[in-house]
Amino acid sequence: GENVEQHPSTLSVQEGDSAVIKCTYSDSASNYFPWYKQELGKRPQLIIDIRSNVGEKKDQRIAVTLNKTAKHFSLHITETQPEDSAVYFCAASVDQGAQKLVFGQGTRLTINP
Amino acid sequence: DAGITQSPRHKVTETGTPVTLRCHQTENHRYMYWYRQDPGHGLRLIHYSYGVKDTDKGEVSDGYSVSRSKTEDFLLTLESATSSQTSVYFCAISTGARGYTFGSGTRLTVV
Repeated sequence: GENVEQHPSTLSVQEGDSAVIKCTYSDSASNYFPWYKQELGKRPQLIIDIRSNVGEKKDQRIAVTLNKTAKHFSLHITETQPEDSAVYFCAASVDQGAQKLVFGQGTRLTINP
Repeated sequence: DAGITQSPRHKVTETGTPVTLRCHQTENHRYMYWYRQDPGHGLRLIHYSYGVKDTDKGEVSDGYSVSRSKTEDFLLTLESATSSQTSVYFCAISTGARGYTFGSGTRLTVV
């Protein structure tokens, strides 16, 4: 089955700098790659996703890139702000039917003022 | 919020007792999921449902059973709770283009 590895497990950056979180996956059939943000004590919430027919997707300060050949995808956050502090999860699945997401282990991002 | 609710929000139970967690949705989505969240493991799929009375196992299904007798309700049962099942449990619905929407979670402690 699918296996998703996520790095780093913790990341600390200065406010205003950029943050990058990387994930690799094992199943070449996977074609849907979402990213979730989870604030302390809250539910995970979808922030951006990408499907394998595109290589990059942007939404304001966040972007996701996908390299299907290498089986890795990354989350980029620019101009980081204190409210970006949270745990971020990547995931992968086949984008049809039950769409069973397999999640990475999570990255705790801390933005230092 | 987002048409999905979980109950209870918190529960403490004793080893060996049965426990049932409830997930309720109001948006008539076909697919529902139960995940558990543990430090260092992310979210792991326990069971999922693809329709009324249609369920299947996920990655960590041992010790858990599920039932879905109505579209809106998906129940997770721990037949005989163990300390290793202490975790935060999230229910989710698949909303198609909007991806998963998660419930608020249930924090379960088995003592």
